[in-house]
Amino acid sequence: DGGITQSPKYLFRKEGQNVTLSCEQNLNHDAMYWYRQDPGQGLRLIYYSQIVNDFQKGDIAEGYSVSREKKESFPLTVTSAQKNPTAFYLCASSPGTGFPGGYTFGSGTRLTVV
Amino acid sequence: DAKTTQPPSMDCAEGRAANLPCNHSTISGNEYVYWYRQIHSQGPQYIIHGLKNNETNEMASLIITEDRKSSTLILPHATLRDTAVYYCIALNDYKLSFGAGTTVTVRA
Repeated sequence: DGGITQSPKYLFRKEGQNVTLSCEQNLNHDAMYWYRQDPGQGLRLIYYSQIVNDFQKGDIAEGYSVSREKKESFPLTVTSAQKNPTAFYLCASSPGTGFPGGYTFGSGTRLTVV
Repeated sequence: DAKTTQPPSMDCAEGRAANLPCNHSTISGNEYVYWYRQIHSQGPQYIIHGLKNNETNEMASLIITEDRKSSTLILPHATLRDTAVYYCIALNDYKLSFGAGTTVTVRA
């Protein structure tokens, strides 16, 4: 079945360490996104990518980095510069710009800094 | 993107219709109205979207007012599994912006 796979589901990180969250899709979607969700709040856009080898900052990109070397993959690195990294991270994909057909989300990665 | 306003929470009886309102008074002519829902600790799930006309699918109906300043999502026969946070989004490009949404609790 087509979809988005995020791994791991739960992740623990020591303060000061970088950590990379995986996101893979087999939907042949051009665009991919990373969102962050804090308890009781909506989703905030971190980074997005419309095509391979290109990506743009979202609303809260500071302390995060991404790469898009393959159409299927859009990993997110949470760096030590991110002040409050503990959150629920969601990856999504869509067919691309101008397509009103909706987005597909992964099941999320819950990151906890210990 | 137009800002949307939703009530923070609402209750619904199981088996009854749930009507979720959304105001989007600053919506422009080419902005679609999308609805998603998020069940606890999962990724959001697409429900329905529309531009001008009312829409219906297997999950819900979307009623958009003629002036497009507001819309209503209708879950025709709410079940306990419909308990979730529901997000109304006005979108004219590919970047979804999620507010706090409406927490819907379906009670037996």
